[in-house]
Amino acid sequence: GESVGLHLPTLSVQEGDNSIINCAYSNSASDYFIWYKQESGKGPQFIIDIRSNMDKRQGQRVTVLLNKTVKHLSLQIAATQPGDSAVYFCAENLSNDYKLSFGAGTTVTVRA
Amino acid sequence: EAQVTQNPRYLITVTGKKLTVTCSQNMNHEYMSWYRQDPGLGLRQIYYSMNVEVTDKGDVPEGYKVSRKEKRNFPLILESPSPNQTSLYFCASSRRSGQGSVEQFFGPGTRLTVL
Repeated sequence: GESVGLHLPTLSVQEGDNSIINCAYSNSASDYFIWYKQESGKGPQFIIDIRSNMDKRQGQRVTVLLNKTVKHLSLQIAATQPGDSAVYFCAENLSNDYKLSFGAGTTVTVRA
Repeated sequence: EAQVTQNPRYLITVTGKKLTVTCSQNMNHEYMSWYRQDPGLGLRQIYYSMNVEVTDKGDVPEGYKVSRKEKRNFPLILESPSPNQTSLYFCASSRRSGQGSVEQFFGPGTRLTVL
């Protein structure tokens, strides 16, 4: 079936470096994508989103890139900090309704 | 403060003993949902509700029930829990922004262990 998935389950990054987290989706009809951050013991929290009519969107230290040709999106975190250690999920909005389909998540660990 | 609350946060129970996990939101959202989170599987939707008295199955509804008698509450009911329902459960409520984006707010989670 169609699903959203992340390329790598874990990512270790040196503090101060940039992080890139990848996500692949298979439903070309999806028109909205969201990145969530989940810290230990907490529920997922919204980071940034992007609609399918955009290729790039920037937030504070984060950038989401969307490549519709290969059905791929990525989350870039600039100057990664210890507080960025968490599990990151991409989510896909199908059929313009409320339902979100989530990938399995990437665990990011920041090395001091 | 806008929030989604869940109770209990932690629960250990035995097979077959009925339990209810409560969920409440104070944002007047119409859409609410329940997810379970298991290692390597991400978040999978159990049930959702588009409004009061309107509920529907998500991707993994077997063994669960829900009700939506009022807008703010969306309890998850396990009539006869089994060990394969040991998981981390999240309630969420959502609204659509003016631009059509879905803003989804998650509760803090309930860690359930069924022995």
